[in-house]
Amino acid sequence: EPEVTQTPSHQVTQMGQEVILRCVPISNHLYFYWYRQILGQKVEFLVSFYNNEISEKSEIFDDQFSVERPDGSNFTLKIRSTKLEDSAMYFCASSSGQGNNSPLHFGNGTRLTVT
Amino acid sequence: LAKTTQPISMDSYEGQEVNITCSHNNIATNDYITWYQQFPSQGPRFIIQGYKTKVTNEVASLFIPADRKSSTLSLPRVSLSDTAVYYCLVGDIRSRGKLIFGQGTELSVKP
Repeated sequence: EPEVTQTPSHQVTQMGQEVILRCVPISNHLYFYWYRQILGQKVEFLVSFYNNEISEKSEIFDDQFSVERPDGSNFTLKIRSTKLEDSAMYFCASSSGQGNNSPLHFGNGTRLTVT
Repeated sequence: LAKTTQPISMDSYEGQEVNITCSHNNIATNDYITWYQQFPSQGPRFIIQGYKTKVTNEVASLFIPADRKSSTLSLPRVSLSDTAVYYCLVGDIRSRGKLIFGQGTELSVKP
């Protein structure tokens, strides 16, 4: 079964540094998402992306965050200047968006630790 | 977006049937109901999705009454490996927008 893959599985960075989290969505999917989950808390929506532009974003997704689909396969989340509170699991998801059954398929996440 | 309410936690024993009910009183006409399972340090995994009545797949059943203001995920004969957090989400999957996760139900299956 095709799956969403994320790299790296764990990223450690110092406060103020830029990080790029990478995702390869399922190949025929058209809708892409980033969610995050702070340890012990619920999964939070960050941003959705379709047709090379952001469809919707949450209050968390401020100017420090950006997303990009640099080629036909990758979908990236960039955090420009990391803060301690950005430490979390970051999940990428994709969906086909077609028909009546197009659930989100999630990757296994990147654990970001900001020190 | 429709808000969902689920029990925070449930306990069960191996071999039992588990039913987790989710309330979504302000569900919209175009909203679908989707359930996800999440193990620690893993991404949420799609279980089942429905619009009305009953949906069944190889792992679960989803019961949705006529008014669609609630739904019940039924897991037959649970095993220890079903210990996880279960999320009920409501949204228009065709909208290209966000799906909001609630707190979920932490299911603990005991031997």
